[in-house]
Amino acid sequence: DGGITQSPKYLFRKEGQNVTLSCEQNLNHDAMYWYRQDPGQGLRLIYYSQIVNDFQKGDIAEGYSVSREKKESFPLTVTSAQKNPTAFYLCASSLDKGTSGGFDNEQFFGPGTRLTVL
Amino acid sequence: AQKVTQAQTEISVVEKEDVTLDCVYETRDTTYYLFWYKQPPSGELVFLIRRNSFDEQNEISGRYSWNFQKSTSSFNFTITASQVVDSAVYFCALSELSTGKLIFGQGTTLQVKP
Repeated sequence: DGGITQSPKYLFRKEGQNVTLSCEQNLNHDAMYWYRQDPGQGLRLIYYSQIVNDFQKGDIAEGYSVSREKKESFPLTVTSAQKNPTAFYLCASSLDKGTSGGFDNEQFFGPGTRLTVL
Repeated sequence: AQKVTQAQTEISVVEKEDVTLDCVYETRDTTYYLFWYKQPPSGELVFLIRRNSFDEQNEISGRYSWNFQKSTSSFNFTITASQVVDSAVYFCALSELSTGKLIFGQGTTLQVKP
């Protein structure tokens, strides 16, 4: 089945540790995104990648890092520099530019990873 | 700046009632896309609809319908004859075409009681 997988589903981190969240898609999508969701709030963009070996910072990139070595994979590392990392993290992907000439295609989301700092 | 506002934080209805979720957006772009997503308790966002700024026709899909009004910058979502399975958080979002970034509203939590 085509889709987006994220692992692990739940992750616990001690303060000062780096952790990496996995995101894999087999939809052959070019663009991939990482969002953070805090309780009672909408999603905020952390990083995005429109093509392999290239990625851009989103609105809240501080304390996070990513890589895009393969089209299918876009892992997110939450570093110790992220002061308040406890949140729900969602990965998404979409096709390349749509009919408007811009990135207007719908994004498909993975099941999410819930990260808790102990 | 681009912004999406969902003023209703929580809505509670009884099964079979109709319910409308409001969405108001701000953008300076002439071409833009709007989306609605559903987030059930499992957490995964489910895509519901995508609408471009040039298409103001209302859309109906089963019990779901959407009313897009450019004059009031609104993209409201109506569920007819609501069911318990409709209970979820619903997000309205606006796409930034240069990046694909989705600008989300804060979401409306819908509770449908039996």
